[in-house]
Amino acid sequence: GDSVTQMEGPVTLSEEAFLTINCTYTATGYPSLFWYVQYPGEGLQLLLKATKADDKGSNKGFEATYRKETTSFHLEKGSVQVSDSAVYFCALSDLRGYSTLTFGKGTMLLVSP
Amino acid sequence: NAGVTQTPKFQVLKTGQSMTLQCAQDMNHEYMSWYRQDPGMGLRLIHYSVGAGITDQGEVPNGYNVSRSTTEDFPLRLLSAAPSQTSVYFCASSARTGNTEAFFGQGTRLTVV
Repeated sequence: GDSVTQMEGPVTLSEEAFLTINCTYTATGYPSLFWYVQYPGEGLQLLLKATKADDKGSNKGFEATYRKETTSFHLEKGSVQVSDSAVYFCALSDLRGYSTLTFGKGTMLLVSP
Repeated sequence: NAGVTQTPKFQVLKTGQSMTLQCAQDMNHEYMSWYRQDPGMGLRLIHYSVGAGITDQGEVPNGYNVSRSTTEDFPLRLLSAAPSQTSVYFCASSARTGNTEAFFGQGTRLTVV
């Protein structure tokens, strides 16, 4: 079956540091790929998405590129802020619909001033 | 804008009790799903629905029932609660076409003692 593997955390960074969270996937067909973010005590929010190979999703300074050849969708941000502290989930969707997702285990990001 | 509403937010059950977690969305979304979130496990799909009257099992369906009598509502039933069902439960919805974003509720934290 489909699966998503993302780097374990927590990832601890100082403000303005560069962020990379690795994500690789295994899937049949051509899934859509997503990064969701969860702030403490809240539900998940879509951060960015890519629906086909070589697409780049971007939002709030975060970027990720759908790499079919390496089955990857790594999340990057050039300069993190304290407010970026959260848990980040990489996910893919299949033909069952965009709310039927296979998630990675999540990566906690802690940014200190 | 209400979006996806889950009730209750918190619940404590005794082993063997039954209860229903409610989920309602006001976006006329065809697709709805239930997930459970456990530490170190990410979110795992319990059941999903692609429209009123249609439901199917996800990755971890045992011990849970669902029904979808209306587009708006997708309740999750625990028939006989077990301590292994202690978790945070999230409901999500998405449109069948167009916007590929899934919208999540705020979650229900369930403890089974």
